[in-house]
Order: sequence, then C-alpha cells, then structure tokens
Amino acid sequence: DVKVTQSSRYLVKRTGEKVFLECVQDMDHENMFWYRQDPGLGLRLIYFSYDVKMKEKGDIPEGYSVSREKKERFSLILESASTNQTSMYLCASSIQGLNEKLFFGSGTQLSVL
Amino acid sequence: GQQLNQSPQSMFIQEGEDVSMNCTSSSIFNTWLWYKQDPGEGPVLLIALYKAGELTSNGRLTAQFGITRKDSFLNISASIPSDVGIYFCAGQRTSGSRLTFGEGTQLTVNP
Repeated sequence: DVKVTQSSRYLVKRTGEKVFLECVQDMDHENMFWYRQDPGLGLRLIYFSYDVKMKEKGDIPEGYSVSREKKERFSLILESASTNQTSMYLCASSIQGLNEKLFFGSGTQLSVL
Repeated sequence: GQQLNQSPQSMFIQEGEDVSMNCTSSSIFNTWLWYKQDPGEGPVLLIALYKAGELTSNGRLTAQFGITRKDSFLNISASIPSDVGIYFCAGQRTSGSRLTFGEGTQLTVNP
C-alpha cells in the first residue's frame, strides 16, 4: 500500500522556535510538495521539489524553507515560528509529469503559542 | 497564486439527497480535478477531467469539465453518511504544472 508519512500528527511549539516537519514517501516519486490548509483558504502551496536537492517556491514561501537530501524525504522548516503559522500542514508526492495525481499524508496540525 | 472560487463553502443535507458543488476561475485550466478529504486524513483524488465538456463518473459521483474551461462541477447522488468531508476542486494549467486548489466545500450528511 502506497504511503506518504508525516512524522507528527500534532505539534505545539513556542514563538521563535525552529520547527522541522518531516515527510517520507515510499512510492519512489520524484515530486514532493508542502501545502498549508486553513479554513476558507483551501490548500496553498508553500514549496515543492522535483528532484533531490532541488526546491522551488510555491505561492506562500515566506517564513519557510525546505530540504530534500534524499528522494523519499522532504522536510519543511520554520526558521522562527510565529503565531500566524499555526495551521494544518500537508505533504504530498507525485510521479514526474503526473502532478494532477497527488498522494497526500494525513497532515500535521501545528500550533504556535 | 490564483485561487479558484468554490461554492458553496458548506452544505448540510439529509442522507439520500443529491449534492451539487462547483468551481470557477477567471482563467483557463486544461485539467480539472476533484479531491475529497475525510476527517483526520489528507485529500484523495476522486476524479480527473482532461477535456472541455467531459463528463466522468466514479460510482455515485459525477464531475464535468466546463466547456469554457473556466469551471467544473461535482454532483453526488443519493448521499450517505460516509460522504462527509471536505471536497476540493483543483485546476492545472498545463500538463505537469502544479495545481491550484479551491477553498473547499465542507459537506455534512445527517442520517
């Protein structure tokens, strides 16, 4: 069974902390994505990667960075967490050239206090 | 990035009723998609539409790619409690490009 696994289901952090959200996929997919989900705003793309060590900014990259050292792992980093980054974070992957068929993880609900 | 306008934002229906939701954009998309997010899970692809005017079914779900390529519709017939969740439309401008998602429609089905 194919899977995208996000390391934490719930996370509570303090303002100013450095936060790492981890995502691993076991489908050998080339493409990986980080979205945030907020009520009434849908899914907004933060960063994506089409290959190892490659990254591209999405629509809302400010305050975030990413790392892709291995094909199966894509990490989202909040350098200095702020309260407006409280949100549900969703990781997704897809086969190269088939970005319409995204496979999502179950999400990490991050609360920044 | 551009958002798609999805409506309604929420729906409360009785089991057995039919459901309709839609998604519109001010610009053209070459692919339209519908995803469903069950409570506590990530979204899952329901239907992909690749051609203007295309009508595609997946069980009780039917989706249509608008002929202007600026909208799409999803219908659910004879709703059941497990239809509960958030339904997202998404558009893709060109093959291989990233997706733009709508705001989502929260569906509640009362038994």
